[in-house]
Amino acid sequence: NAGVTQTPKFRVLKTGQSMTLLCAQDMNHEYMYWYRQDPGMGLRLIHYSVGEGTTAKGEVPDGYNVSRLKKQNFLLGLESAAPSQTSVYFCASSYPSGVPYEQYFGPGTRLTVT
Amino acid sequence: RKEVEQDPGPFNVPEGATVAFNCTYSNSASQSFFWYRQDCRKEPKLLMSVYSSGNEDGRFTAQLNRASQYISLLIRDSKLSDSATYLCVASISNFGNEKLTFGTGTRLTIIP
Repeated sequence: NAGVTQTPKFRVLKTGQSMTLLCAQDMNHEYMYWYRQDPGMGLRLIHYSVGEGTTAKGEVPDGYNVSRLKKQNFLLGLESAAPSQTSVYFCASSYPSGVPYEQYFGPGTRLTVT
Repeated sequence: RKEVEQDPGPFNVPEGATVAFNCTYSNSASQSFFWYRQDCRKEPKLLMSVYSSGNEDGRFTAQLNRASQYISLLIRDSKLSDSATYLCVASISNFGNEKLTFGTGTRLTIIP
């Protein structure tokens, strides 16, 4: 099993450009999450999904959109990139069995917006 | 005030020593607690969950004090491979969905 994978690993965007980050998991997990990690801020939740076709806002959703059309994929979109969105983006997934639920993270996408 | 606060370090500790980290959380509704480990430029990985009764996994011991709202991690006989950033995490469960709140991490370097 590959676990959680993210595409791309690195990207440089110019202000105003758009892009989509892809997260895929092969563990049949119901829940998926998008976080961003910035120095001195810790990981912050952007959006999450509790199942195929559902999405919800996290702590810092502004400027991002998400979609979960298939259970194994969770897409994060930036419609008009801003320098403040320069960050490392992590996707995670978890399966709602047992408490507490461990979240499995992907390797991250390093995004720079110039 | 951050919901989960940690001393960012860095902690530079000689190999074989014992090191302890503390973490405080402000939301008394937090139900579950974890320590995640993050290596440089890698993703976080679960190190261990933290229970009220305390739990031990090999050289690692985690403790929870709900009254004082702090969590601790003790590493005994530290190894070079323990060098990493340790993230303290508090969780609130909402209909089975775990909302994790991460601390900014404590950086540990084990010195040969």
